[in-house]
Amino acid sequence: SQQGEEDPQALSIQEGENATMNCSYKTSINNLQWYRQNSGRGLVHLILIRSNEREKHSGRLRVTLDTSKKSSSLLITASRAADTASYFCATEGGSEKLVFGKGTKLTVNP
Amino acid sequence: DVKVTQSSRYLVKRTGEKVFLECVQDMDHENMFWYRQDPGLGLRLIYFSYDVKMKEKGDIPEGYSVSREKKERFSLILESASTNQTSMYLCASSLRREGRWEQFFGPGTRLTVL
Repeated sequence: SQQGEEDPQALSIQEGENATMNCSYKTSINNLQWYRQNSGRGLVHLILIRSNEREKHSGRLRVTLDTSKKSSSLLITASRAADTASYFCATEGGSEKLVFGKGTKLTVNP
Repeated sequence: DVKVTQSSRYLVKRTGEKVFLECVQDMDHENMFWYRQDPGLGLRLIYFSYDVKMKEKGDIPEGYSVSREKKERFSLILESASTNQTSMYLCASSLRREGRWEQFFGPGTRLTVL
């Protein structure tokens, strides 16, 4: 099955810096979603971008989508220690099922 | 707020035991999912249910079965637990809103099979 691949697998930055995570996928999609997972917990929906959108903002989050390259990026600006978590992209291709990537583990050092 | 609960946060079982993982959602969602999450492999779909008594295999159904007798409850069953089923198990339900599916996750059950 198609699966998103996040890059990098792990990222460590200082508080206040920006964090950028990338996601690539294999087949056509209706939308791409980003989820966050705090350590040992379930995933929480962060933001969605539709296939006809190129960029979306929500607070300190900025998502871009390039359907020609089948890739997306998630930017977290002015990171905080509380942003420490794993981030997953998930693609929706027209069915109820989402296909999740392997995740990027972000550590924000105070 | 949508709430998805899972019966246990941590579970330790022995090889060969029958294991039941329970998931309950309180928002009348049609769809429910079971995933397992392993380091380096991300989330992999085990089973999916789109209605009561309806189920569909995901990517890794071997060794698992499911039961959905009531809309709010979706159970994952390990008929004979094996050590390679040690993992984090995540349940989710989904809602269609504004033209897209959004999934809501429970807190997860970390299962260890000895």
